[in-house]
Amino acid sequence: GENVEQHPSTLSVQEGDSAVIKCTYSDSASNYFPWYKQELGKGPQLIIDIRSNVGEKKDQRIAVTLNKTAKHFSLHITETQPEDSAVYFCAAKLYGGSQGNLIFGKGTKLSVKP
Amino acid sequence: DTAVSQTPKYLVTQMGNDKSIKCEQNLGHDTMYWYKQDSKKFLKIMFSYNNKELIINETVPNRFSPKSPDKAHLNLHINSLELGDSAVYFCASSQEAGAGGYTFGSGTRLTVV
Repeated sequence: GENVEQHPSTLSVQEGDSAVIKCTYSDSASNYFPWYKQELGKGPQLIIDIRSNVGEKKDQRIAVTLNKTAKHFSLHITETQPEDSAVYFCAAKLYGGSQGNLIFGKGTKLSVKP
Repeated sequence: DTAVSQTPKYLVTQMGNDKSIKCEQNLGHDTMYWYKQDSKKFLKIMFSYNNKELIINETVPNRFSPKSPDKAHLNLHINSLELGDSAVYFCASSQEAGAGGYTFGSGTRLTVV
């Protein structure tokens, strides 16, 4: 089955700096890679996702890149703000596969210092 | 209106008790899920239901049983609670089985004493 590794487990940056979180996956059949943000006391919230037919996707200050050959994907947050502080999870699955489910990485706790 | 709502938000109970957590989604999604988040924040799939049919059942103890009266509801019933069941349980839903992103509820923090 799918296994997702996520690094780093904690990340501290100064406000305005960029933050990068990296994930690797094991199942070459996986083709859907979402990222979730979990704030304290709340459920995970989808912030961006990418499918394997594209290499990069951007949404304002957030971007995700995918290297399907290396089975790597990364989340990039530019111009970080204190409200970006949260736990971020990457995940992977086979899109449309009814027998598969979303497998999560172990999370990265991002702290943005004012 | 909350898209995926869970009740209760907090649940403290003694070992050996039976408890239920309720989940409702108003998104018209076809598939609902239960995830367990342990103290290290690791999210692990427990169950998913599509049109009242269990389509995924990971290696979860049979003390845990999902119950879906209709496609908008997926409740989690737990028998004979153990200390190790303490965790945050999240309900989620998606448009169809395996498709796209999941919408999560705000979680139920279960503490077994």
